[in-house]
Amino acid sequence: DSGVTQTPKHLITATGQRVTLRCSPRSGDLSVYWYQQSLDQGLQFLIQYYNGEERAKGNILERFSAQQFPDLHSELNLSSLELGDSALYFCASSVGSGRGNEQFFGPGTRLTVL
Amino acid sequence: AQSVTQLGSHVSVSEGALVLLRCNYSSSVPPYLFWYVQYPNQGLQLLLKYTTGATLVKGINGFEAEFKKSETSFHLTKPSAHMSDAAEYFCAVSTNTGNQFYFGTGTSLTVIP
Repeated sequence: DSGVTQTPKHLITATGQRVTLRCSPRSGDLSVYWYQQSLDQGLQFLIQYYNGEERAKGNILERFSAQQFPDLHSELNLSSLELGDSALYFCASSVGSGRGNEQFFGPGTRLTVL
Repeated sequence: AQSVTQLGSHVSVSEGALVLLRCNYSSSVPPYLFWYVQYPNQGLQLLLKYTTGATLVKGINGFEAEFKKSETSFHLTKPSAHMSDAAEYFCAVSTNTGNQFYFGTGTSLTVIP
């Protein structure tokens, strides 16, 4: 158990819908990262937050957005869902935002878009 | 820019045999490198990491990796495979502007009894 929690574990929805994925980092970790894992794209970095502020953006679509709240939990919002958005979404956390900080991964949320 | 290439998407070894999983990186700055393992239906777990210092890094579960700058490699090894080592293994490099990880495409390890 990494100490990072993600809810829900599974999510099934229809095209065009909007969903919210939630992540609680390990106690004491200020940085949160979101990754998408799909069969064709592999593990892709989406976005990073540090202590409530956006720190870095990766291959995140405009239909996707995220935020980190004062209690440090984070939410990833996916809207206008398409079939291709079906994937495993991981959240990770680390103590700092600097290079080399070990990232601890949650168990993931499996999103299925029908 | 940083990137990682993992040679061999599937590797099979016999129980007790040497495990060798290959990772080559590309980085415009001195790389920070990581190996993670993913068991079925689970998240990623850190095996080991290299940032600076000793080039031979020892991790959990008997795994180790050696950073070779001249070969731009960070191969993962274990002297004797165990059935419980069957999993997906990912090599990653940390960016120089932050701490986003660029992951390789993964290597699925099968251990044959």
